[in-house]
Amino acid sequence: GAVVSQHPSRVICKSGTSVKIECRSLDFQATTMFWYRQFPKKSLMLMATSNEGSKATYEQGVEKDKFLINHASLTLSTLTVTSAHPEDSSFYICSARPREMERYGYTFGSGTRLTVV
Amino acid sequence: QKEVEQNSGPLSVPEGAIASLNCTYSDRGSQSFFWYRQYSGKSPELIMSIYSNGDKEDGRFTAQLNKASQYVSLLIRDSQPSDSATYLCAVTPQGAQKLVFGQGTRLTINP
Repeated sequence: GAVVSQHPSRVICKSGTSVKIECRSLDFQATTMFWYRQFPKKSLMLMATSNEGSKATYEQGVEKDKFLINHASLTLSTLTVTSAHPEDSSFYICSARPREMERYGYTFGSGTRLTVV
Repeated sequence: QKEVEQNSGPLSVPEGAIASLNCTYSDRGSQSFFWYRQYSGKSPELIMSIYSNGDKEDGRFTAQLNKASQYVSLLIRDSQPSDSATYLCAVTPQGAQKLVFGQGTRLTINP
């Protein structure tokens, strides 16, 4: 149980375009999902907390107008990187856990490797 | 001071030996502690979780928590080459749902 699916796994886009990444909880409902970014040989940095039915909470230094998060249902959160630039190239990973497993670790999606050219 | 600190390594351990990974955290009110393993190019996978002081064993893995010292460790017994990965310590700060990660320790098991 507690499977998180993330799509796409890899995407290459041109500078100035937007890219949408989907994160789905397959066998549970997730009122909260988290979006992380990881640069090569670095740790995971939390970008934002996605809350079903309300606005996302962004970490300090993360531009909310650039990284649009929508959590319209209990099983789907999306991250849209708008007007992408090469410095946005990174590994983006989402995570979630069932509400009834609050004391358990979060499950991560398989990640999305974004390359902006 | 970083919220969660780990020695970035690399840590090299011979096959069959015990690998010891350490982590300290700054928020004394933290309640939940996790160890994740991450292979290159992959997302993290949960190895162990621990919530109370003492040891918790699961197969070849033992997590140790000392809240007074704000210290959590992971021991891997009978290390295998397949254990070679980056190990991430993660902590849930008091009153928060989010996970805060350390920078990770790169572990190499030498055959």
